Amino acid sequence: DPKIIQKPKYLVAVTGSEKILICEQYLGHNAMYWYRQSAKKPLEFMFSYSYQKLMDNQTASSRFQPQSSKKNHLDLQITALKPDDSATYFCASSQDGLSAETLYFGSGTRLTVL
Amino acid sequence: GDSVTQTEGQVTVSESKSLIINCTYSTTSIAYPNLFWYVRYPGEGLQLLLKVITAGQKGSSRGFEATYNKETTSFHLQKASVQESDSAVYYCALGAITGNTRKLIFGLGTTLQVQP
Repeated sequence: DPKIIQKPKYLVAVTGSEKILICEQYLGHNAMYWYRQSAKKPLEFMFSYSYQKLMDNQTASSRFQPQSSKKNHLDLQITALKPDDSATYFCASSQDGLSAETLYFGSGTRLTVL
Repeated sequence: GDSVTQTEGQVTVSESKSLIINCTYSTTSIAYPNLFWYVRYPGEGLQLLLKVITAGQKGSSRGFEATYNKETTSFHLQKASVQESDSAVYYCALGAITGNTRKLIFGLGTTLQVQP
């Protein structure tokens, strides 16, 4: 059974709309992350959370807002969507922030913005 | 900045043949980064395949090996005899530091297709 669940698997949105990507982990980990992979680009780090607190934010835009309602949840809200936001978004977790290199990933949400 | 280069986007190998996937890195945030190979099987998330934290050492897992070469700043992935079940996307990565936080810097990934 997958230990990190991302929903939905596929998402199509129109420019200017808002979407929330869901991530839940059942590994008992204390740190969670979002990474993104756009076409022909490497996976890039977006956010890290440790014990539900933001540790690092490498996204340039405030349109991307992580939301942690529970310890094992880290959703990603994206507002005013643009076609350049089209990418596969991966949620990941680690035991704690010190283990940020040994990550467990979800299978991703592929977002297409038309 | 920090970066990882994987020169092959796709590699096709016949079953039981040998494999090498190239990876080189460049880093400014940390002198001797930890190096990783992650693998993504179809329909699944990325998972750690192997890691090496000491220059000159070799890591191995599931028949795959990679040696941390700080002279050539390389971390190539090798396997002596591939199986069809090895078909997946392989990502080379390094551990970087920004302020007090750590993160992974990934290469583009190499899709391995093993032909029966």
